[in-house]
Parts: sequence; structure tokens; C-alpha cells
Amino acid sequence: SQTIHQWPATLVQPVGSPLSLECTVEGTSNPNLYWYRQAAGRGLQLLFYSVGIGQISSEVPQNLSASRPQDRQFILSSKKLLLSDSGFYLCAFDAAGSQPQHFGDGTRLSIL
Amino acid sequence: GQNIDQPTEMTATEGAIVQINCTYQTSGFNGLFWYQQHAGEAPTFLSYNVLDGLEEKGRFSSFLSRSKGYSYLLLKELQMKDSASYLCAVRGEDSNYQLIWGAGTKLIIKP
Repeated sequence: SQTIHQWPATLVQPVGSPLSLECTVEGTSNPNLYWYRQAAGRGLQLLFYSVGIGQISSEVPQNLSASRPQDRQFILSSKKLLLSDSGFYLCAFDAAGSQPQHFGDGTRLSIL
Repeated sequence: GQNIDQPTEMTATEGAIVQINCTYQTSGFNGLFWYQQHAGEAPTFLSYNVLDGLEEKGRFSSFLSRSKGYSYLLLKELQMKDSASYLCAVRGEDSNYQLIWGAGTKLIIKP
């Protein structure tokens, strides 16, 4: 079966520190991969998506970046976090164009 | 522009029926999805509509009218555990099949 793993579940970081969130998918090949951010009580904001290894599209200009070093691995990074980077970060995948996206458990990021 | 509208919040009584509406204006249409999201958790997939009509899955049903740009999620025999946000998302005519998301409807179930 297809599964998605995302970690860590919670993270508290000081302003200006780096960030690395990791997401891996099992049970499927060449998935579309997505990073979303959700502010409290708000909808999902698409940050990055990837249709293949090394292929990253950015939806929102910001101090975050994403990488896909392997087919089923998606990483969200920042060199210097801002207070506004706080939020709930979700990784998702879908296996084909008509299939639904499935989400990891999410990472709650708090910037102090 | 592309837009999805849902009510912000709804309240219903345990055991009753509730209908959550979603209207959309998108560049093309390749399917509509409903997700459930409990507070502090990730969204989970509920239903998918690509053709007009009603899709039924147990206590949950979803309806789509493409000509009206309209969908609803119908929840029957409400239980306290149905208290959650319900997100409507549309896949537009985009080669990378991205989803356009509504802000979600927070459903509060009262005993």
C-alpha cells in the first residue's frame, strides 16, 4: 500500500536558524509531491510541487526552498527562518493525474 | 482568477443531516475533492467527483454540477466525531494537476 511519512511532528526553532523537513513516500513510483503550509484556521497554501527528481516548482516567493534528491523523497529547507514561517507544514503526494492527494501527518513549526 | 467558496462555519445537531456547499470558478475542470480535517491533524480524503451527480460512501455523499460550478457534501446521522473542517478542492486544467483549495468549513456538532 502507498504510505507517506513526514517528520518531525513538532519543531520549535529560533528566528534566523536553518530548517530541514523531510518527507518520504512508499509503495509508488514517480509520485507528484507537494509541500503546503496552513496558517491557523486557514486553508492550504501550496509552497512547492515536484513531478520528478530534481524538478521543483515554486508557487510563492519566500525564504524557503525544496529539493527532491530521490524519487520518493521531498525536503523543505530554509537557511534563515523568519517569524512569519510559523505554521503547519504538510507534505502530500498523488500517484497519477486523477488520483487524490494524500497527506503526511504534518509538522507544526513554531518560530521564537 | 480562480476561486473556491465555502461557508466558514456551520453548526448541526448529533443525529441530524448537514449539507456543506462549495462553489468554484476555475480555469477548466478535472475533478473535485472533499477532505476532512480534524483540529491539529492532516486532511484525509473523503470523496472525488468528476462527473455530474451524486457519489455515496456510507454516511457521506458528494454531489457535483459542473454547469453550475457547484458541489455539496452531505453528512447523515451526524456523530460527535464528525466535528472537523471540511475542505473542498478542485483540480483545474493544469498540466501538473495542482489542486485549488477552499478555506474549509468548520463543522460543529452539538449533542
